[in-house]
Formats: sequence, C-alpha cells, structure tokens
Amino acid sequence: DQQVKQNSPSLSVQEGRISILNCDYTNSMFDYFLWYKKYPAEGPTFLISISSIKDKNEDGRFTVFLNKSAKHLSLHIVPSQPGDSAVYFCAASQDNYGQNFVFGPGTRLSVLP
Amino acid sequence: EPEVTQTPSHQVTQMGQEVILRCVPISNHLYFYWYRQILGQKVEFLVSFYNNEISEKSEIFDDQFSVERPDGSNFTLKIRSTKLEDSAMYFCASGGVPQHFGDGTRLSIL
Repeated sequence: DQQVKQNSPSLSVQEGRISILNCDYTNSMFDYFLWYKKYPAEGPTFLISISSIKDKNEDGRFTVFLNKSAKHLSLHIVPSQPGDSAVYFCAASQDNYGQNFVFGPGTRLSVLP
Repeated sequence: EPEVTQTPSHQVTQMGQEVILRCVPISNHLYFYWYRQILGQKVEFLVSFYNNEISEKSEIFDDQFSVERPDGSNFTLKIRSTKLEDSAMYFCASGGVPQHFGDGTRLSIL
C-alpha cells in the first residue's frame, strides 16, 4: 500500500542547476507534507513543509509546490550544490501534530560539480 | 540546537534475544515516535507515544514490541524474542510538525 510515492529512485543534476524532486500521494486525507533530507549514517533531517491550505512554500534555495487536485508535490532546489547530494524523502500526515508520517521510498539526489 | 539522541548506534543480537533501543527526545517535546527502515526500503512508522501511552501504532508493532518512558528523559523500544527480519535501522523522533529524528540504531540480528 504505497500511499506516498516517489517514482524516481535517483536523480543527477549539475551544480548550479535546478533539482526537481517529485512526490505523489493517494490519500486525500493528507493535510501536511514534509520533505526530509538524509545523509548516510544519519537520521532524516527536516527540510521544508507545506500544509494543504497553501500551494507554495519557500525557504531560501528550497521551494515546495503542492497541487492538491493532482495529489502531487514537488521540491525545487535552486541553485543545486554538491552538499545537497542526499536521499530526499517526501512524508505526509493527516494531522498537524502528533500524527505519524507516511514516508515515500526516497529519491537519491546527486549534484555533480 | 537541541537534538534527539539514540543509543547504541549499532546493536548486534542473537535471534530470540530481547533488545532495548534507547532514545532521549528533545526535552520540551510531548510526542515521541519510533520508525524503522529495513535496508533498501522506506522509512516505516511503528508507534507514537503521548502522555505516557501509545497514541497510535502500525501493523508492524505487534506484541513483540513495547515502548516505555521510564523517566522524564528516556524513551525506549523493546523487542522481545528478536527475529532475523527485525534487522533494520530504528529511528526515534520527537515533536509534531516537523518531527525531529535521531541518527538511528542499526540493529543486526544474527
């Protein structure tokens, strides 16, 4: 039961260019969406979030877009840097506090110098 | 910046033995979670804990598993009679939105 899907297991981008990571979900009850970044041997680190009342949230080089009708969200990183190379997880929840998050399988981003 | 800490970083246990994974959540957080990630697979929710009781658990969290907050700072996950398929990274998290994760405990069952 894949409620949260990340169909690209990996992505390679040239340094300075835009990275676009995609995420699709099936549960229309999801209201909060987060992106986590994970380096090897470390836990997931929170990156950026968006609630269903918004369609865009921006934080520095990171922007998340939400298309609720399409049940699709994307993370844009611009400009991409080599230090952005990591696995990126999309996560979704029905609640804004206390509810568990359902994670996607992750996309491994490689930013090439 | 406060962080979630987990010990040990790697635990090797014989099949059938009991194991306790330990976590110190961020001090002012009220919600605590355990997730696991089997090698090559996605992060999966196990259990959430609030006000000294389980608030939600997944199908994975069967009678083999239990959680406890034995004092004001620690949050533990106990796995009784471990099986080979319990081998995974176990992540503790605390908070709400966002949840803050520890660096995980790698559990290897032999």
